[in-house]
Amino acid sequence: GAGVSQSPRYKVAKRGQDVALRCDPISGHVSLFWYQQALGQGPEFLTYFQNEAQLDKSGLPSDRFFAERPEGSVSTLKIQRTQQEDSAVYLCASSLSRGTESSYEQYFGPGTRLTVT
Amino acid sequence: GDSVTQMEGPVTLSEEAFLTINCTYTATGYPSLFWYVQYPGEGLQLLLKATKADDKGSNKGFEATYRKETTSFHLEKGSVQVSDSAVYFCALSGSGGASKIIFGSGTRLSIRP
Repeated sequence: GAGVSQSPRYKVAKRGQDVALRCDPISGHVSLFWYQQALGQGPEFLTYFQNEAQLDKSGLPSDRFFAERPEGSVSTLKIQRTQQEDSAVYLCASSLSRGTESSYEQYFGPGTRLTVT
Repeated sequence: GDSVTQMEGPVTLSEEAFLTINCTYTATGYPSLFWYVQYPGEGLQLLLKATKADDKGSNKGFEATYRKETTSFHLEKGSVQVSDSAVYFCALSGSGGASKIIFGSGTRLSIRP
């Protein structure tokens, strides 16, 4: 079946512009995570949704970052007034999260590479 | 807070060599431990995992053992192939339910034919 998809795959923004990054999780997956991966580093947690509820946003680096998942499926990560330090790959992951331990495995999308110039 | 420290790369080996990538962790409680792999041009994939002490995760000839006494989860493979060239991430998450993953900084592995 289809995996996690993200769009756009590449985004170039001028400093100060707003951007919106989209994540389509695997159908039926309850949990959705966003991570930020700077060049040469491991991914770092940003925020977590269970269905439409944002249960953890402790990793969002500033109030310029905002995420939503209004219908418990597609999610959007919005970055306002982008800065150069926001340049990174933004990864989305989803998991079924129902019952068995294996259902909590996170499946990652290909990421959106954001470059702020 | 919880963290993962892994061997810095890049690591370059000849085909059929033995591979070890060291990983240690700091965590409260009893985390689950993972190795993820990122092949060139592809997304992150789970390679193997272990959910409790002394468990051994294995996949594609790779294996790692959850060592609570040394807080380690070293990745090993007896004979690497050119196709194993990728970036490898050691990671942990809380056990029992959906939980964020904490990643190490990654180790780039290159295998020479």
